[in-house]
Amino acid sequence: EVQLVESGGGLVQPGGSLRLLCAASGFTVSSSHIYWVRQAPGKGLEWVSVIYGDSRTSYADSVKGRFTISRDNSQNTVYLQLNSLRREDTAVYYCARVIGASYAYDLWGQGTLVTVSS
Amino acid sequence: EIVLTQSPDFQSVTPKEKVTITCRASQSIVTSLHWYQQKPDQSPKLLIKYASQSISGVPSRFSGSGSGTDFTLTINSLEAEDAAAYYCHQSSSLPITFGQGTRLEIK
Repeated sequence: EVQLVESGGGLVQPGGSLRLLCAASGFTVSSSHIYWVRQAPGKGLEWVSVIYGDSRTSYADSVKGRFTISRDNSQNTVYLQLNSLRREDTAVYYCARVIGASYAYDLWGQGTLVTVSS
Repeated sequence: EIVLTQSPDFQSVTPKEKVTITCRASQSIVTSLHWYQQKPDQSPKLLIKYASQSISGVPSRFSGSGSGTDFTLTINSLEAEDAAAYYCHQSSSLPITFGQGTRLEIK
């Protein structure tokens, strides 16, 4: 089955760290672009980061210098390291796929909730 | 940054009604505009890509149009299961941006 499964979310104090995982099955992450998109409670969608098939990366200004995206091809998994977390980073974090020539997100994971609170 | 502005923010509609949601970009994005549906407690689902291209498995009552800065998502003959939030998304340039969302309530 073609799917993305996120994990690693949880409750963390301000200033803390978490590592989110996006495990892919049914396709190879190195042949696609994987995006992280987050959604604060009751709010809209916000792009966070992307890792392209050629391993280039990009980040939203709101997370640049604090979050790091990476990929393990042997595990077919993409990671998002979240450091120096702030209360405003509280959100459901989704990973989504772009494949081929289309830059629409045709496959999304179920999301993992990150709560930053003391 | 390209800002996407959707209208309306909220709409209450009756079944079988025709619904139109608009998305306006702050600069031309040609047709690099995609539409998603998100039901409560679910992840978003792709409805339309590149402004008007249909997606396999999506009901034919969903259609899209537009180019440049003005885009429209149309739902013909609304069904109860269409109650959801709808988002537009531009892939023309980084940073990737989304519209603020339109919530559809079925009366």
